Amino acid sequence: AQSVTQLDSQVPVFEEAPVELRCNYSSSVSVYLFWYVQYPNQGLQLLLKYLSGSTLVESINGFEAEFNKSQTSFHLRKPSVHISDTAEYFCAVRGVVGAQKLVFGQGTRLTINP
Amino acid sequence: GAGVSQTPSNKVTEKGKYVELRCDPISGHTALYWYRQSLGQGPEFLIYFQGTGAADDSGLPNDRFFAVRPEGSVSTLKIQRTERGDSAVYLCASSPGRKETQYFGPGTRLLVL
Repeated sequence: AQSVTQLDSQVPVFEEAPVELRCNYSSSVSVYLFWYVQYPNQGLQLLLKYLSGSTLVESINGFEAEFNKSQTSFHLRKPSVHISDTAEYFCAVRGVVGAQKLVFGQGTRLTINP
Repeated sequence: GAGVSQTPSNKVTEKGKYVELRCDPISGHTALYWYRQSLGQGPEFLIYFQGTGAADDSGLPNDRFFAVRPEGSVSTLKIQRTERGDSAVYLCASSPGRKETQYFGPGTRLLVL
C-alpha cells in the first residue's frame, strides 16, 4: 500500500518569487511519481511524472521535481512563479507493479500575489 | 482530440435516491478509472476497468456503489440509496493501457440533500 503526504495545504507567494511544494510518500514497493495541477474550474491535468531514468523531471511551463529515493520525496519547484500558476497541486504515486490506481496527497493550494 | 467527458456536470439529489454518473473515455483507451474527491481532499480511488471487466474494485466504499463498462468504452457509476456523505466530485480518468498516464475528465459534482 502507498500513502502520500503534502506538508502544506496552502502556499502563498509573490509573483516572480521561487516556490517549493513538498511531497513525501510511503510505499513498500517501487513507485512511479506524478504531479497533477487543477486550475480554477478545470479538471486535473498531468504536470510532470517520474517513471525511471534521470531523477530530475521538468514540465513545459518551468516546473521541475526531483525524485529522492532515500528521503522518499518528490518536491515540486519553480524558480519564478506567475499569476497564471495559481492552482491546486496534487502529488500522486502508483506502484510499478500490482495495483494501477493513483494514490493522491491532499493537495496544496498555490496562491500568487502580485 | 476530445478528452474524457463526464455527464452530468452537476447532480443534485435527495437522500435515498438512486443516481447514475456517466464517463466517456478518450477513444481507444482501454483502461478506465473512477475516483472520488471530497472537499479539501485529494482524489480517492474507487474502481479500475481494463476493457469490460473490473480489474480492481477495492476502493468502492460499500455495496451501494456499483460501476459497469459493458462494451469496454463508456462507463456508468451507480449509487443506490444515496447518503449525504456521498456528496463529492466524482472523477473519471482513462489511459491507453494499464501502465500509461491517466487523463482526467472535468468531474461530476454530486450533492445529496
